[in-house]
Amino acid sequence: AQSVTQLGSHVSVSEGALVLLRCNYSSSVPPYLFWYVQYPNQGLQLLLKYTTGATLVKGINGFEAEFKKSETSFHLTKPSAHMSDAAEYFCAVSDLWSGGSNYKLTFGKGTLLTVNP
Amino acid sequence: NAGVMQNPRHLVRRRGQEARLRCSPMKGHSHVYWYRQLPEEGLKFMVYLQKENIIDESGMPKERFSAEFPKEGPSILRIQQVVRGDSAAYFCASSPREDGTEAFFGQGTRLTVV
Repeated sequence: AQSVTQLGSHVSVSEGALVLLRCNYSSSVPPYLFWYVQYPNQGLQLLLKYTTGATLVKGINGFEAEFKKSETSFHLTKPSAHMSDAAEYFCAVSDLWSGGSNYKLTFGKGTLLTVNP
Repeated sequence: NAGVMQNPRHLVRRRGQEARLRCSPMKGHSHVYWYRQLPEEGLKFMVYLQKENIIDESGMPKERFSAEFPKEGPSILRIQQVVRGDSAAYFCASSPREDGTEAFFGQGTRLTVV
């Protein structure tokens, strides 16, 4: 079974500083990879996803992530944090269904990002 | 095109009561997924449904939980005889195809069992 590890349940940065949220997965087959953001009492919003092709993926709100197969990682970065980035971030991996479709997502436990003024 | 609509947003039930959670997928989406988020945990897959069919319920507890997605109307997640451990946020996602890369999530239903 797939597993996703998000290193650091809580990350705190200053406004304007680099944001780095770590995600490692376990899979013998290159999976589809996702980052979602959850604001308080809200649903999940897709930030970006990797399926195939270019390993550096750009998403919304200035976030990007790089798929590194050799490291089984998909870390999320943003050059300059804004106060509005404060939220919980979830990394997710798709499972490969026996029928050949990727529909079931396995989520990490999440990383709560705090942005200090 | 409205997003995935879940209702109610908040639901309080006493132990032993039934909880019914509703999910209306986005227009044109015939694939629905339910996930549960326990406190300080990531989301856990529960069930995948297509219209009138349960495709994968491997994440559903064996007892008290059931799900349906009828030909007409929203998908329903039903929890009978709720216990305190059922308190969680339940999220629904929908997709236009079985490939979950195009799934959109609703805002969730937060169930509290007292």
